[in-house]
Amino acid sequence: AQSVTQPDIHITVSEGASLELRCNYSYGATPYLFWYVQSPGQGLQLLLKYFSGDTLVQGIKGFEAEFKRSQSSFNLRKPSVHWSDAAEYFCAVGRNSGNTPLVFGKGTRLSVIA
Amino acid sequence: KAGVTQTPRYLIKTRGQQVTLSCSPISGHRSVSWYQQTPGQGLQFLFEYFSETQRNKGNFPGRFSGRQFSNSRSEMNVSTLELGDSALYLCASSLDRRNTEAFFGQGTRLTVV
Repeated sequence: AQSVTQPDIHITVSEGASLELRCNYSYGATPYLFWYVQSPGQGLQLLLKYFSGDTLVQGIKGFEAEFKRSQSSFNLRKPSVHWSDAAEYFCAVGRNSGNTPLVFGKGTRLSVIA
Repeated sequence: KAGVTQTPRYLIKTRGQQVTLSCSPISGHRSVSWYQQTPGQGLQFLFEYFSETQRNKGNFPGRFSGRQFSNSRSEMNVSTLELGDSALYLCASSLDRRNTEAFFGQGTRLTVV
């Protein structure tokens, strides 16, 4: 069965510092991978996705993620965090043939301090 | 292009009542999925509808049901509400079933008292 692990429940970074959020997945074939962001009381917004090809993918708001098959990881990065990036971040995995629901990690809450 | 619209945004219901939540997907999208989000369990898949047929169902009791109409709009119903049903219910729409991209609505916050 597919599963996603986000090891960090809560991360605090200083504004302007770099950020890396970890995501590990368990899946028997090449997955579709996603990162979503959720602001308080809001729905989920897609930051970026990986289907195939280049393992470094660029997303919106200056985020990027790198797919590492050998480590079953899809970590999210941002070189310089802004206060507006404070939110909850979810990693998700889907089957590349579809027909099954996305499986989400438990999320990582990001706090940004001045 | 309008996004995914969920109504109502907030609901307060009493234990034992039933509730119906609505989701209008992005125009042209035919797949609608529902998720329950709680602080303890995170995002849990409820069910998926495509072409008016339920295609997948999560591990929830039969009190949770849904349907999809010919215009792809979807509703979910929860009967005999329990306190533990308090959650944010999120709807996601996709063009098809291939998991290429899901767009989420803002959710309906259900509080059961």
